[in-house]
Amino acid sequence: DVKVTQSSRYLVKRTGEKVFLECVQDMDHENMFWYRQDPGLGLRLIYFSYDVKMKEKGDIPEGYSVSREKKERFSLILESASTNQTSMYLCASSLLLRQARGGELFFGEGSRLTVL
Amino acid sequence: AQSVSQHNHHVILSEAASLELGCNYSYGGTVNLFWYVQYPGQHLQLLLKYFSGDPLVKGIKGFEAEFIKSKFSFNLRKPSVQWSDTAEYFCAVEGSARQLTFGSGTQLTVLP
Repeated sequence: DVKVTQSSRYLVKRTGEKVFLECVQDMDHENMFWYRQDPGLGLRLIYFSYDVKMKEKGDIPEGYSVSREKKERFSLILESASTNQTSMYLCASSLLLRQARGGELFFGEGSRLTVL
Repeated sequence: AQSVSQHNHHVILSEAASLELGCNYSYGGTVNLFWYVQYPGQHLQLLLKYFSGDPLVKGIKGFEAEFIKSKFSFNLRKPSVQWSDTAEYFCAVEGSARQLTFGSGTQLTVLP
């Protein structure tokens, strides 16, 4: 089974702190994604990566950055956390298919971040 | 840009009732379509997907969905729901290469 592991299930941070959310997948997937999930808004894509050291902005990248130094690891960084970044953060990975479509996403269990 | 609309935010059914959850998308080109489910306390997982071919696709746990291209719809159905189907359901569309856009989700509550 594909396993996507997010290092922290629950975090509480203060406004202005730097926050690192780590994600590791064990299936050699090329694609990795960071979403945030908010009630009534569904999942919104923050950043994604198709390969090591590459990244692309999703729909809501403002206030976030990412790092992908190794194929299996994709980190989300909040340089200066704000209260409106309180949310559930979901990491996902997928295979790169021949049609250049990502296909099925495999999700981690999520990291619930509260910014005070 | 692609977008997805799920008009039902919360659906409450009794066990054995039939289910249909609406999903409409906006995208002018070829799409891949998905339904994901999130059971309470669990991670999101794939319920079913449509890439091409037969527009009626079957997924896990007795769910099915029909792709109607002319209506830009991909509604999820189940003839008889169970209490264990209580979950949040998300429709997603992949139009632009490799990016999934999710709907806002529908919370399904099945009463025993």
